[in-house]
Amino acid sequence: KAGVTQTPRYLIKTRGQQVTLSCSPISGHRSVSWYQQTPGQGLQFLFEYFSETQRNKGNFPGRFSGRQFSNSRSEMNVSTLELGDSALYLCASSSFGAGGLANYGYTFGSGTRLTVV
Amino acid sequence: AQTVTQSQPEMSVQEAETVTLSCTYDTSENNYYLFWYKQPPSRQMILVIRQEAYKQQNATENRFSVNFQKAAKSFSLKISDSQLGDTAMYFCAFMNRDDKIIFGKGTRLHILP
Repeated sequence: KAGVTQTPRYLIKTRGQQVTLSCSPISGHRSVSWYQQTPGQGLQFLFEYFSETQRNKGNFPGRFSGRQFSNSRSEMNVSTLELGDSALYLCASSSFGAGGLANYGYTFGSGTRLTVV
Repeated sequence: AQTVTQSQPEMSVQEAETVTLSCTYDTSENNYYLFWYKQPPSRQMILVIRQEAYKQQNATENRFSVNFQKAAKSFSLKISDSQLGDTAMYFCAFMNRDDKIIFGKGTRLHILP
């Protein structure tokens, strides 16, 4: 069974540009969450999608957006990149996520390392 | 708001020893999940162990076990017979019914040969 796949693994962008990151969840998983990991702030929740609907959103500016497709694959977009957006972006999927406590934890991908110069 | 605190930024132990990583959390909820995740240099977050708050029995997964003290809001991880492959960053995490995981800042664990 394939794991959570994130592409690309590494990305270098210039300030002001925009970027799109992709996440393919484990087959059958309908919930996808995104996290930003930095040395200073640690792991911070960005948003979560379930069946193409955003169910939760963290405290990030509107430059950060996402979407989920009918096959559960998800994309995350960051517009007008800033130096502070340099981070490891992790995607995680779960077979549950219907708003209850049936979720036994998320399976994470290896992340996309974004560097903004 | 829920918070998760890991008071040990870094630890080192000799191979085969037992090590305990500390974690405390704050929540007003009664039902939730707690996790320990491991992040090796490969960057992938790996679920080590999970605990349902409504279960009094401490979770165990082979060499990994937890000491869950609900009243004290404490959730420590014990690694027995530590191995070189246990070297990694360990994150304590909390999840409520919103399915949003809140992570601690992590503890960097070094297993020394």
